[in-house]
Amino acid sequence: KAGVTQTPRYLIKTRGQQVTLSCSPISGHRSVSWYQQTPGQGLQFLFEYFSETQRNKGNFPGRFSGRQFSNSRSEMNVSTLELGDSALYLCASSGGTSGTGELFFGEGSRLTVL
Amino acid sequence: AQTVTQSQPEMSVQEAETVTLSCTYDTSESDYYLFWYKQPPSRQMILVIRQEAYKQQNATENRFSVNFQKAAKSFSLKISDSQLGDAAMYFCAYRGMDSNYQLIWGAGTKLIIKP
Repeated sequence: KAGVTQTPRYLIKTRGQQVTLSCSPISGHRSVSWYQQTPGQGLQFLFEYFSETQRNKGNFPGRFSGRQFSNSRSEMNVSTLELGDSALYLCASSGGTSGTGELFFGEGSRLTVL
Repeated sequence: AQTVTQSQPEMSVQEAETVTLSCTYDTSESDYYLFWYKQPPSRQMILVIRQEAYKQQNATENRFSVNFQKAAKSFSLKISDSQLGDAAMYFCAYRGMDSNYQLIWGAGTKLIIKP
C-alpha cells in the first residue's frame, strides 16, 4: 500500500510569491491534515479536511488556505510569501474514523522563502 | 487549551541501554489519545506508540513502552535495548476525542545513541 505522497519535496520561492503544495493520502483515507514544522515554533496544526470539507483550522493567517478534492487528494496554498513561511510542511492522512487517531505522515515539502 | 511539554531538548544513551523520555500535558478532558512519534533525520514522521486515556494498562510495542500516569498527566516513553536506528527526534502528541485529527505537539526530544 502506497504511503502519503507530498509534492514537491523541495522548493525555493521569493517573498511575495505564492506556492501550492500537494498531498496524496493513503488509498482509502478520507482525512488529510497539514502541519507546519519550524525550528522555532515546532509543529503547528494548519488545517484538516475530511470528505472535501475543512473540519478544523489552526491559528494561521488567511494567506494559508487549503482544499480537498473528491479523490481525497489535498492542496495547500500560501499566498504573499514571507520569510517566516520557510518551513517543512507535513501532510498526514488518516482513515477518517475516530477509532485509533493515528496519523500517517508524508516526507514533507521543504519550502525556503528568500 | 491543551498543552504538551517535553522538558528534555536532548538525551543521550549508550547503545543497548535503556532511556526514558518525559512528557507532561495539560487538559480538562477525561478521554483523549496520547502518542509518541519518531522523526529520524530527513525522514518522515512515524508512530512509535499510542495510548488511549481510558485504558489503565500501559501500551507496549516491542522495545518501546510508556508509563501513563493519568492523574499526574504524565506520559513517558521508555526505550529498552537502545539501537543506533533509534536516533531521532521524538515528539509527544495529544489528541482530544472531539478534535478530529488535530494533534497538539510537544517541542520534541533529540535522542542520541552512543555506540
